[in-house]
Amino acid sequence: QKEVEQNSGPLSVPEGAIASLNCTYSDRGSQSFFWYRQYSGKSPELIMFIYSNGDKEDGRFTAQLNKASQYVSLLIRDSQPSDSATYLCAATFFSGGYNKLIFGAGTRLAVHP
Amino acid sequence: DGGITQSPKYLFRKEGQNVTLSCEQNLNHDAMYWYRQDPGQGLRLIYYSQIVNDFQKGDIAEGYSVSREKKESFPLTVTSAQKNPTAFYLCASSARRGQGQPQHFGDGTRLSIL
Repeated sequence: QKEVEQNSGPLSVPEGAIASLNCTYSDRGSQSFFWYRQYSGKSPELIMFIYSNGDKEDGRFTAQLNKASQYVSLLIRDSQPSDSATYLCAATFFSGGYNKLIFGAGTRLAVHP
Repeated sequence: DGGITQSPKYLFRKEGQNVTLSCEQNLNHDAMYWYRQDPGQGLRLIYYSQIVNDFQKGDIAEGYSVSREKKESFPLTVTSAQKNPTAFYLCASSARRGQGQPQHFGDGTRLSIL
């Protein structure tokens, strides 16, 4: 069974701090990794994707990938109350001739003023 | 404006009734997907389609059916065989099949039982 694991949280951080969200995946063949943000009652919104080992930065967000450890993380610098949401990690796996996405259950982030 | 449109936003199903959820995209994406999300859980794949007139079962296809007659449209029917249909249904699309491209989501449909 292919799995993506996340700590459900809530992860509580003060405004202005760095929030660190972590994710592990079971399929060593996974090639692509995605972070989605989902506000309560809304649909997921893509915020980062990463394909190669190392770091990828986009504004206040940094995605980190370590394929040897099967570990993906998302750092949010200068956290704002508007960052409070559930963050979903997703990884591709190849099955039946197609790449499919497996989602983790999400980590709830709460940024308090 | 390019995007994925799901309708209706809210839907109520009577026992024994089939209901159809609409998903339309104007992003010219080849691949389309249907997911179900239950409270506190991740997204589970119901069906996906990589090209017109072809679709594959996902992890929880029982009680659901789909069609892909046009590239832009991928409707999902929740049949009376689905005994626990109450959930948030999300349609997604991606640019290229089998390439690990990001999936983008519509606003979702909330389905409840009357």
